Amino acid sequence: QSVLTQPPSASGTPGQRVSISCFGSSSNIGSNTVNWYQQLPGTAPKLLIYSSNQRPSGVPDRFSGSKSGTSASLAISGLQSEDEADYYCAAWDDSLNGWVFGGGTKLTVL
Amino acid sequence: QVQLQESGPGLVKPSQTLSLTCTVSGDSINSGSSYWSWIRQPAGKGLEWIGRIYTSGSTNYNPSLKSRVTISVDTSKNQFSLKLNSVTAADTAVYYCARYYDILTGFRNWGQGTLVTVSS
Repeated sequence: QSVLTQPPSASGTPGQRVSISCFGSSSNIGSNTVNWYQQLPGTAPKLLIYSSNQRPSGVPDRFSGSKSGTSASLAISGLQSEDEADYYCAAWDDSLNGWVFGGGTKLTVL
Repeated sequence: QVQLQESGPGLVKPSQTLSLTCTVSGDSINSGSSYWSWIRQPAGKGLEWIGRIYTSGSTNYNPSLKSRVTISVDTSKNQFSLKLNSVTAADTAVYYCARYYDILTGFRNWGQGTLVTVSS
């Protein structure tokens, strides 16, 4: 059982916009920023969004993040087949004094 | 560009100690203010943070694993290590080492991961 809650799956067709939610609590998302990771099959996770809404260099601007209260969201616009992957949210938890992750959302491009 | 590489036995017997090493290249493990972490992922499941060691040597562990985990650093070899004792089949997972600078910026650097199976 993950501390952060994500939907297990999401899907969309090429060109569509999809959104993935992440729900937490006051000790994690409510107090700290959220990071998002993309994990392609058989590979290590890759940082996609940091500080809730910032993109590392090289990440397309099709990816965007937002946070409000104790929840966060990752949006992908202009969906492409190569976006098919697992997506994880993460935040620092002040009560646990450690990182917590969501259970992951498997994105399927139909 | 910094690179991280995990190494260690791929098979560990139940009740024994799992030992992994992460070798850092392209940067000094002592440089700047870096947190070096271990994260694991059971097959088909999500990510679980195991713990971290700071450049100074101070550590923090996941409370659910704290009684069994030790993370240490060897600056002379530019490596940091994980020891998890009294393992069971539930500890079977891909183990990743990763680096972050602060809680705002997230894990920017990851190793490729190494599968550790706990079985007799």
